[in-house]
Amino acid sequence: AQTVTQSQPEMSVQEAETVTLSCTYDTSESNYYLFWYKQPPSRQMILVIRQEAYKQQNATENRFSVNFQKAAKSFSLKISDSQLGDTAMYFCAFMKPEYGNKLVFGAGTILRVKS
Amino acid sequence: GAVVSQHPSRVICKSGTSVKIECRSLDFQATTMFWYRQFPKQSLMLMATSNEGSKATYEQGVEKDKFLINHASLTLSTLTVTSAHPEDSSFYICSATIGGVNEQYFGPGTRLTVT
Repeated sequence: AQTVTQSQPEMSVQEAETVTLSCTYDTSESNYYLFWYKQPPSRQMILVIRQEAYKQQNATENRFSVNFQKAAKSFSLKISDSQLGDTAMYFCAFMKPEYGNKLVFGAGTILRVKS
Repeated sequence: GAVVSQHPSRVICKSGTSVKIECRSLDFQATTMFWYRQFPKQSLMLMATSNEGSKATYEQGVEKDKFLINHASLTLSTLTVTSAHPEDSSFYICSATIGGVNEQYFGPGTRLTVT
């Protein structure tokens, strides 16, 4: 079974600085998808970024980028120029389409951006 | 696009009563819908997967007679918590997928409080 591990329960960063959230996963599959979701205090799940495992190029969405190391099974999220609105719980998730598009979530990392 | 709604957003019910939560895909037909439960500061726990017109598939440890799921159409799934007890108090989130798109779209969640 696939597992996703987020080893940082809580992190904080100063506004405008850069922070990296770590995520590792365990799978024997070669074709899969990885996601980072943000859950702000409203508790609405928001997709931050997605990576297809067959793509070597790291995904980027504005201030958010990932460092995808397939061999190491690592998928970290870098947030540049942190903003107060980035304060949220961040979840790393794994999906194998052949398994019915189920998501396997990590435990989450609470990120606090300080002014 | 790909908007998922949930109703109600908050509900309070008395112990022993049943409560129904609706999940709708507003601008697409959902091939599959998922129901999650989330406790404060914890990750999402998958309860069940439902496909239109067929019985839901429940995760291990989830009581199917307690949490009734009906997926009557391609845009609507309902979760009924039967004979609710205070320990059923939680945040319930649904999500939906579109065929051929490897991503889940999340509803805003429903906070259930059983008194």
